Amino acid sequence: DAKTTQPTSMDCAEGRAANLPCNHSTISGNEYVYWYRQIHSQGPQYIIHGLKNNETNEMASLIITEDRKSSTLILPHATLRDTAVYYCIVRDDKIIFGKGTRLHILP
Amino acid sequence: EAGVVQSPRYKIIEKKQPVAFWCNPISGHNTLYWYLQNLGQGPELLIRYENEEAVDDSQLPKDRFSAERLKGVDSTLKIQPAELGDSAVYLCASSRFGQGTDTQYFGPGTRLTVL
Repeated sequence: DAKTTQPTSMDCAEGRAANLPCNHSTISGNEYVYWYRQIHSQGPQYIIHGLKNNETNEMASLIITEDRKSSTLILPHATLRDTAVYYCIVRDDKIIFGKGTRLHILP
Repeated sequence: EAGVVQSPRYKIIEKKQPVAFWCNPISGHNTLYWYLQNLGQGPELLIRYENEEAVDDSQLPKDRFSAERLKGVDSTLKIQPAELGDSAVYLCASSRFGQGTDTQYFGPGTRLTVL
């Protein structure tokens, strides 16, 4: 079973920051937090991952709480092309996908 | 750098027929994965290869599914015979080493429809 809890769906206005939450209260010390997204009819796309520290790349920022029990993926300026299902995953080896959050970007 | 390549993208067959899917991983990636994705669900691992060796096939239904990765590069996943419940998207992924938290990169998938 997936070790994360995410909202089923979220809306965000185009141009605004999209903040996607994820709870992973049972995360263990050697497990990373990974985020993937899946645009319709495509395979999952890697976004970002982290262990303890906040991370940023060209796609997004990942904010992990100090106790590591939750995290937030931030898309700083959402566009219509960011409409997708976003998966939060905790892993030390296998990837186990949950159902993710369906993000709708509204024009 | 080319991504993971899969073919065909779409396949429609009648039940009881055989079907095969092909995957070419990212160059230099030793580990290859096949996943199954049912509608509205996240992908589920079927089998993982490290080079030519299947190191995790615990979720592969071995009565009708088989896979091979003969030269440690391309891989083929086969279903024989296909059943109606096999309709799904079959995803291939690869990673450089497959150890720990090595990032997996996914192909576009093959959408199978069994009639």
